[in-house]
Amino acid sequence: EDQVTQSPEALRLQEGESSSLNCSYTVSGLRGLFWYRQDPGKGPEFLFTLYSAGEEKEKERLKATLTKKESFLHITAPKPEDSATYLCAVQAVSRGGGGNKLTFGTGTQLKVEL
Amino acid sequence: DGGITQSPKYLFRKEGQNVTLSCEQNLNHDAMYWYRQDPGQGLRLIYYSQIVNDFQKGDIAEGYSVSREKKESFPLTVTSAQKNPTAFYLCASTSGRGGSGANVLTFGAGSRLTVL
Repeated sequence: EDQVTQSPEALRLQEGESSSLNCSYTVSGLRGLFWYRQDPGKGPEFLFTLYSAGEEKEKERLKATLTKKESFLHITAPKPEDSATYLCAVQAVSRGGGGNKLTFGTGTQLKVEL
Repeated sequence: DGGITQSPKYLFRKEGQNVTLSCEQNLNHDAMYWYRQDPGQGLRLIYYSQIVNDFQKGDIAEGYSVSREKKESFPLTVTSAQKNPTAFYLCASTSGRGGSGANVLTFGAGSRLTVL
């Protein structure tokens, strides 16, 4: 069974204080690992897809990296508008069932304060 | 602008009632999905559909039903058989059908269902 564990559950940072969020996963053949941002009361918004170990992607203050067991979302010099819940999800290589099913972690709730 | 529209945003249900959540997309996506989100839990898949007039159960389908009569629409009915329906419901879509490569889910804004 595919599993995704995110840590920490919650993180409070001061503006400009860089940090990393962790996503550990077990999957029988990784097709893709996804990062989403979710604001309160809204649907998740896509950030990144990573496909293979060693891959990195960046967007503004965010950088996602991937190893064979985990992914990190690095936040450099965060601002209050970066406050949100960050979700990690994995998609396994299809076992013949079809579909685009993702296994999601429970998320890290980030709060950036002035 | 292309996207997914979910309605209503808030819905209240009395015990024993069936309610239907609407999901419409104008992205020309083939596949559509319904997820349920509860505090402290990851998103869980209820039903998905890869093509019109066909759909499959996800991990927590009991107490729910869906239809896919049009490519653009994938309504979810929460039946009285669902014992704990209070949750945030998210509809999503992708362009692919789960073949090679990973497809990105585009989500709607969600519908919050509360049982009174």
